Amino acid sequence: ETGVTQTPRHLVMGMTNKKSLKCEQHLGHNAMYWYKQSAKKPLELMFVYNFKEQTENNSVPSRFSPECPNSSHLFLHLHTLQPEDSALYLCASSQSGTTNNEQFFGPGTRLTVL
Amino acid sequence: AQSVTQLDSHVSVSEGTPVLLRCNYSSSYSPSLFWYVQHPNKGLQLLLKYTSAATLVKGINGFEAEFKKSETSFHLTKPSAHMSDAAEYFCVVSGGAQDSWGKLQFGAGTQVVVTP
Repeated sequence: ETGVTQTPRHLVMGMTNKKSLKCEQHLGHNAMYWYKQSAKKPLELMFVYNFKEQTENNSVPSRFSPECPNSSHLFLHLHTLQPEDSALYLCASSQSGTTNNEQFFGPGTRLTVL
Repeated sequence: AQSVTQLDSHVSVSEGTPVLLRCNYSSSYSPSLFWYVQHPNKGLQLLLKYTSAATLVKGINGFEAEFKKSETSFHLTKPSAHMSDAAEYFCVVSGGAQDSWGKLQFGAGTQVVVTP
């Protein structure tokens, strides 16, 4: 597979469930990102990882827990979510240290919290 | 600090007519600018990017954008709209060399509707 892949594509969970979103990039990049896209709102950056180290946490609630075991994989662990957390969660990757910072996006996981 | 404003939340065009999506930005440094497109239930795809080379940038699917520093604008155009251009378009600014972690600032998006 090429590019950035995300699984699952759709997820429905209750507020007491624990689930994880997975992202994998096949581009040889060293930076990975989680974004949240809600209806009628601009894309929100959640977390940034550079060479597996978290470099940005954009005031995200602790019920979202990222994990980056290596430069190719990124997870977002979810627990005790709220209905307002329903959104499209997008993963992206880029080659850090470049001046144009072009990011490549996965197709997203559509999350619904009941 | 950097920000981006997309001046139209919705644009409706007839197939075969020109498309203009407006974007203004502010940035403390020499910015990199991008346009991304998102089709329904899909991720974001890069249309084109400006990185301080030629001010007129050509992208995929017949789109182009012109960087105008004096107007702090980066408007996206296409001479003739196609039905497949119906999507949401995002103007994005990056801080450039001063922001090596790749932090992007997204506009709110412009929804494009193409009518037959």
